Order: sequence, then structure tokens, then C-alpha cells
Amino acid sequence: DTEVTQTPKHLVMGMTNKKSLKCEQHMGHRAMYWYKQKAKKPPELMFVYSYEKLSINESVPSRFSPECPNSSLLNLHLHALQPEDSALYLCASSLTGTGVTEAFFGQGTRLTVV
Amino acid sequence: KQEVTQIPAALSVPEGENLVLNCSFTDSAIYNLQWFRQDPGKGLTSLLLIQSSQREQTSGRLNASLDKSSGRSTLYIAASQPGDSATYLCAVRKETSGSRLTFGEGTQLTVNP
Repeated sequence: DTEVTQTPKHLVMGMTNKKSLKCEQHMGHRAMYWYKQKAKKPPELMFVYSYEKLSINESVPSRFSPECPNSSLLNLHLHALQPEDSALYLCASSLTGTGVTEAFFGQGTRLTVV
Repeated sequence: KQEVTQIPAALSVPEGENLVLNCSFTDSAIYNLQWFRQDPGKGLTSLLLIQSSQREQTSGRLNASLDKSSGRSTLYIAASQPGDSATYLCAVRKETSGSRLTFGEGTQLTVNP
């Protein structure tokens, strides 16, 4: 099983709303990632968790707040987003965060901020 | 800074053709290179991973090669089918960039029936 599951698939939220994206994997992977992807562009790294600790924050605005409750779950809490934050948000996982390691991606959450 | 370039940006071929997608990277100090497929509005599907010590990997009609010294990788697709239509992305994991994957801009492939 090489599945990374993201919920919801689609999300529309207002600029004053608070919402959360959820990601789950049961492959025993110890590194989990959040990426943001705009149309016709490659994914851009936002956050990396390694062994449930935040190891990389790519200078992401504080309106995005990641959380890793356990080794299988990754959340992204959203608050006071802007219309330009509308994008496809992808979660990924890999066995480790360094060295030779294969990344597996979820199907993404299509976020629209209105 | 690691840069990854994919050529061509778009490719349209008739069904049945064999084709090659190219990926080049500037820093040869990599752990691995990974090829992905992305359908419109969907996530990335891992196709092949090549470790830096390997020369090629094969999966079905797909064959990926790696020439680390020249900073190049190719993805060969044999006997293309309309279902192969998608965007293909290559990404490298650099030795000094920790957990980061550096992506190319992708090649948008259309296979016409």
C-alpha cells in the first residue's frame, strides 16, 4: 500500500474562516510534507515534518499552521487566507527525510478562497 | 542552487510512438532522481526512482536513465497510448538540501488517438 490520503478533496472558504486540511499515511513513513501547487507550476515545498517534529518551514505565512499529531497524520490549519492562497495543496510522505528515499503524494485538496 | 530543467515543455505525438522526455540538473551531488506523472487537478504519481549510483530503472513501458556526471535523465515511454497523456515531472533530492525535492517545470504530454 503506497497510499497517502487527503481530505477534503475540495474546499471553498471565506477569508475570515478557519478550516483544516488532513493527510494520512499508513506506510510507516517518518517524514511528511505539505506542498502548494499553482496552475501550470511545479509543487512548492511549504513544510516538512521529520519524526513528528517540524524540520523545515519555507518562510510560509503564519496564516498556515501545520500540525503532526502522530507519525501517520499531518494537518494544515488555515486561518484568514487570501484569494491568492487558492491552489492545490499536496501532502507527501517518505520513509525518511534524508538520503535516498521515495516520495509518495496524495491526490491533493483543491482550495478556493473567496 | 540546484536547478532542474525539463525539455520540451509540451509534446504532442500520435498513438504508438516511442518518445523521450528530458530532465537536466545543475548539481550532480544528488541522492536520487524521481519521475512523476500528474493528471489535471490530481496529485503526483511516482513512476520511477533512480538512485544516484544507478544508471537506469524500468517499469513496464517506462524506462528512466540517469547520467549523474552530466546532470541528465531521460524518461523513455514505449508504444505511447492516449492514457499516457499527462504532465511528467522530474525531481531531484540533493545531498545538501535535506528533505527538499527540487522539481522541474514539467513536460505536458498529449498522445493523440
